Amino acid sequence: DTGVSQNPRHKITKRGQNVTFRCDPISEHNRLYWYRQTLGQGPEFLTYFQNEAQLEKSRLLSDRFSAERPKGSFSTLEIQRTEQGDSAMYLCASSLGGQAQETQYFGPGTRLLVL
Amino acid sequence: AQSVTQLGSHVSVSEGALVLLRCNYSSSVPPYLFWYVQYPNQGLQLLLKYTSAATLVKGINGFEAEFKKSETSFHLTKPSAHMSDAAEYFCAVTHPGATNKLIFGTGTLLAVQP
Repeated sequence: DTGVSQNPRHKITKRGQNVTFRCDPISEHNRLYWYRQTLGQGPEFLTYFQNEAQLEKSRLLSDRFSAERPKGSFSTLEIQRTEQGDSAMYLCASSLGGQAQETQYFGPGTRLLVL
Repeated sequence: AQSVTQLGSHVSVSEGALVLLRCNYSSSVPPYLFWYVQYPNQGLQLLLKYTSAATLVKGINGFEAEFKKSETSFHLTKPSAHMSDAAEYFCAVTHPGATNKLIFGTGTLLAVQP
């Protein structure tokens, strides 16, 4: 396993711009999760996929956010018309199987700064 | 609704001393509980998890945690701190039948003094 990878690792953008992050899960992991972590807080769930199906979205995920996992492998998270409040670390995780006790393996995150 | 509370956002210990990081959970159903560690500029790494088997769970790097239903606690301990243990630690909860999303606490930053 090469682990979960995320790109880019850092992104600085101006308010109002669109940004897209990519997550490559551990191969053969069918579940993929997105979390957001702000300074001094624990990660907060945003959304998750089972294969290519997006099965749940948090209320934190406003209409400006969209996530896809088109072929059930990598996933993208897009934020449109970024706001300063979107500045955070965006974490991706993947797991194998559908049981709640399955370990979620996290990537290194993408740190977003909106100026 | 589920939640976890981590008492003490910052904990400082001397090298070689006992590490105790506190986590209390709230859940209306039997929980699954996790401890993750996060080193600077890195993602989260699983230390250990409780999934309704043994109540004393041993993890990596000498850490262990005990599930105490009567106290709704899942405190993390290590007998002897090492400098390399300095990191942020997160407790998280989910439960059987959930969508598997983890509910995290706010974290405890552990400092280890020489």
